[in-house]
Amino acid sequence: GAGVSQSPSNKVTEKGKDVELRCDPISGHTALYWYRQSLGQGLEFLIYFQGNSAPDKSGLPSDRFSAERTGESVSTLTIQRTQQEDSAVYLCASSLAEGLGEQFFGPGTRLTVL
Amino acid sequence: QQQVKQSPQSLIVQKGGIPIINCAYENTAFDYFPWYQQFPGKGPALLIAIRPDVSEKKEGRFTISFNKSAKQFSLHIMDSQPGDSATYFCAPTETGTYKYIFGTGTRLKVLA
Repeated sequence: GAGVSQSPSNKVTEKGKDVELRCDPISGHTALYWYRQSLGQGLEFLIYFQGNSAPDKSGLPSDRFSAERTGESVSTLTIQRTQQEDSAVYLCASSLAEGLGEQFFGPGTRLTVL
Repeated sequence: QQQVKQSPQSLIVQKGGIPIINCAYENTAFDYFPWYQQFPGKGPALLIAIRPDVSEKKEGRFTISFNKSAKQFSLHIMDSQPGDSATYFCAPTETGTYKYIFGTGTRLKVLA
């Protein structure tokens, strides 16, 4: 596609429910990143994919968070048993390969946990 | 995040002013120094970036100044416009690695 897309753009859920956030990177980009941005804050690194593998999951806040990538394309970030502190904007980015410069960001998914 | 310190946290300038945003880092292996611009409701987008073989890079009204010995780089916006009002992030990294360390962001407001 023309750019990185994410869905849904907004998600409101109740505490304790599971949510899935989707990212479609730019075609051909092998590297994919997930970040979390709390209101007015910087970007917190969550996880990185090279192809379909995730060499570094150290940024995931807890075992309630998981992510997968298939076909070296779409990625899904899953949050189980959501908590209010999970409320944030979740951003996905892709790049041609790791560490080669520009990351292209999607518009983000705003998650609100009531 | 302690590896990168961005300042100031917020900045208000008049139209035509020259806001300067600074980024200090610790990791001497960093060799790619970008600035990202983020508008409300949007993801960050690369604005300008520099490699350590030059001390300054200019693209339009945006200039990066790089001081390798001081381990810091700055973003200057010449003749700032209200449309430049956004949050700016530095995100230095090392080529070949995947870890981008984002600064905490600077919220810039340019008054008309």
